[in-house]
Amino acid sequence: QVHLVQSGAEVKKPGASVQLSCKASGYNFIDYALHWVRQAPGQRLEWMGWVNTVSDVTKYSERFQGRLTITRDASASTVYMELSGLNSEDTAVYFCSRSNGRQGSFDVWGQGTAVTVSS
Amino acid sequence: DIVLTQSPESLAVSLGERATINCQSSQSALYGSSNKNYLSWYQQKPGQPPKLLIYWAYTRESGVPDRFSGSGSGTDFTLTISSLQAEDVAVYYCQQEEAFGQGTKVEVK
Repeated sequence: QVHLVQSGAEVKKPGASVQLSCKASGYNFIDYALHWVRQAPGQRLEWMGWVNTVSDVTKYSERFQGRLTITRDASASTVYMELSGLNSEDTAVYFCSRSNGRQGSFDVWGQGTAVTVSS
Repeated sequence: DIVLTQSPESLAVSLGERATINCQSSQSALYGSSNKNYLSWYQQKPGQPPKLLIYWAYTRESGVPDRFSGSGSGTDFTLTISSLQAEDVAVYYCQQEEAFGQGTKVEVK
């Protein structure tokens, strides 16, 4: 069975950085790209960026350029997301998701990780 | 950047009745080389991640009940729940490439 399992909730102070992980299982890790999508309270889903799990090439939303780093460890079937310079607007649930390029959809999602930024 | 606009923002439907959600895109989702519309629909219940319901505008993901159907082409799309069940109460999102609609909340009247 295909799963994406994310790391646990985080509480951070303004200006800090947070690193989240997402471990894939049940499929060949390098067959699909992995994305990070976040959802602030009561807001729509917001795409942040993705990593090509074969080449390690990344693409980020312009909104997060300079603050966001996505990396992957193919040997561990795990993707990491680091967001720096946190502020209260970064308080959100962060999801990793697998993109199905053939469908143009996100067909598998992690359970989500709550990040709270508070002084 | 693609902008997806859903309507209505919320709707209340009686159990067993039809629910219809619209999604309008600022760019065509139809790609000529494949002749497919790359528009997907998701269901999200409180405290859960989104769940893929439909891709290619009308193809149901495996295991999705057939009361869910998608239609449309180009820039205008519709998700229809033919007979609303209690377990269908959720927020529904459309998605094209890296863009998501703002969501439509479906409740029982």
